[in-house]
Amino acid sequence: DTEVTQTPKHLVMGMTNKKSLKCEQHMGHRAMYWYKQKAKKPPELMFVYSYEKLSINESVPSRFSPECPNSSLLNLHLHALQPEDSALYLCASSQDPRTSGRASNEQFFGPGTRLTVL
Amino acid sequence: AQSVTQPDIHITVSEGASLELRCNYSYGATPYLFWYVQSPGQGLQLLLKYFSGDTLVQGIKGFEAEFKRSQSSFNLRKPSVHWSDAAEYFCAVGPILTGGGNKLTFGTGTQLKVEL
Repeated sequence: DTEVTQTPKHLVMGMTNKKSLKCEQHMGHRAMYWYKQKAKKPPELMFVYSYEKLSINESVPSRFSPECPNSSLLNLHLHALQPEDSALYLCASSQDPRTSGRASNEQFFGPGTRLTVL
Repeated sequence: AQSVTQPDIHITVSEGASLELRCNYSYGATPYLFWYVQSPGQGLQLLLKYFSGDTLVQGIKGFEAEFKRSQSSFNLRKPSVHWSDAAEYFCAVGPILTGGGNKLTFGTGTQLKVEL
């Protein structure tokens, strides 16, 4: 199974709502990622988890709260978002260099969640 | 710091014609290079990757790329384009080893249109 799944596919929320995005993989990868992608732009890294611990936070506002409850699952909790947070949120996973000893592990991407903040 | 430049924002080719998408990188060590493709509203799919060895890399869907260290380039090619190849193409460099996981830097992307 080389698939990364994301739910929901689409999400519309108000600025006062609390919602969560979910990502799952069963490839045994120990590194998982959240990216934000605006229209006509490349993906921007938000967070990296390695062995269920937060490895990188790219100065993301606290209204985005990641969680990695186990090695297969990655969540992104959303609260008090702004309209400018509307974007495609992509999850990815890869082998961790500390597992394979290689820095060359490609990332496998999910289909994304299209988020609209009203 | 690592960076990637894709000089062509849009490219239009006729179906059956050959294709070359340009990618130039800046990286302080031996680069790990990737080409991803993204259809509208979808995630990214890996086309091919280069780590070391043979500088001509074969990928999926008939794509290939050539790593040229002297030119800091990793251009993507396809001999005959199909209408289904219309998509956004991203070149990426990295990853940098950090406390765990990998960090990719993406180029700005090239939008490919295919004329029938």
